[in-house]
Amino acid sequence: AQKITQTQPGMFVQEKEAVTLDCTYDTSDPSYGLFWYKQPSSGEMIFLIYQGSYDQQNATEGRYSLNFQKARKSANLVISASQLGDSAMYFCAMRDLLLGQGAQKLVFGQGTRLTINP
Amino acid sequence: DTGVSQDPRHKITKRGQNVTFRCDPISEHNRLYWYRQTLGQGPEFLTYFQNEAQLEKSRLLSDRFSAERPKGSFSTLEIQRTEQGDSAMYLCASSLRGTEDYGYTFGSGTRLTVV
Repeated sequence: AQKITQTQPGMFVQEKEAVTLDCTYDTSDPSYGLFWYKQPSSGEMIFLIYQGSYDQQNATEGRYSLNFQKARKSANLVISASQLGDSAMYFCAMRDLLLGQGAQKLVFGQGTRLTINP
Repeated sequence: DTGVSQDPRHKITKRGQNVTFRCDPISEHNRLYWYRQTLGQGPEFLTYFQNEAQLEKSRLLSDRFSAERPKGSFSTLEIQRTEQGDSAMYLCASSLRGTEDYGYTFGSGTRLTVV
């Protein structure tokens, strides 16, 4: 079974600084996908970035990049030039096949609460 | 299309009462998922629909829980005889087959409080 571990319950960062949110994963599947989601206080889960296990390069989306280290089974999210609006919960997730259905569910970590200080 | 809609946003109910939540996915999405998120935890998978067929249910989904997706459009999640342990955020997500690498689209959730 897939497992995601996020070891930082909370992070506090000054505005405009870069921040790295840690994520390690465990899987026996040779092919897998990793996601990061942002959950503001409104509750909605907002998709940020995706990294496939066979992708040669680290994924980037604007100010978000994923530091993918396959041998270490880590997929850390890097946010550059943090903004006050980045304050939220951040979840790392991995897809897990629903056997026989051709579909996938997401397995989430416990999340990291990021607070950006002005 | 404004994304995945969930109704109500908040629900407070007395223990033992039945509650029903609704999810309206993105119209062209044929896959729909329900997740439950308790305080301080990440979401946990409950059930999956492809079109109108419920194809997967988690062991978290006890007999008191039932979900439907008539005509493959909106979905409802009903909890019968609610217990305090049912207090959580219930999140709905939808996706279009083959595009999940671009992210599943989640709704804002229904926060249930059982008193």
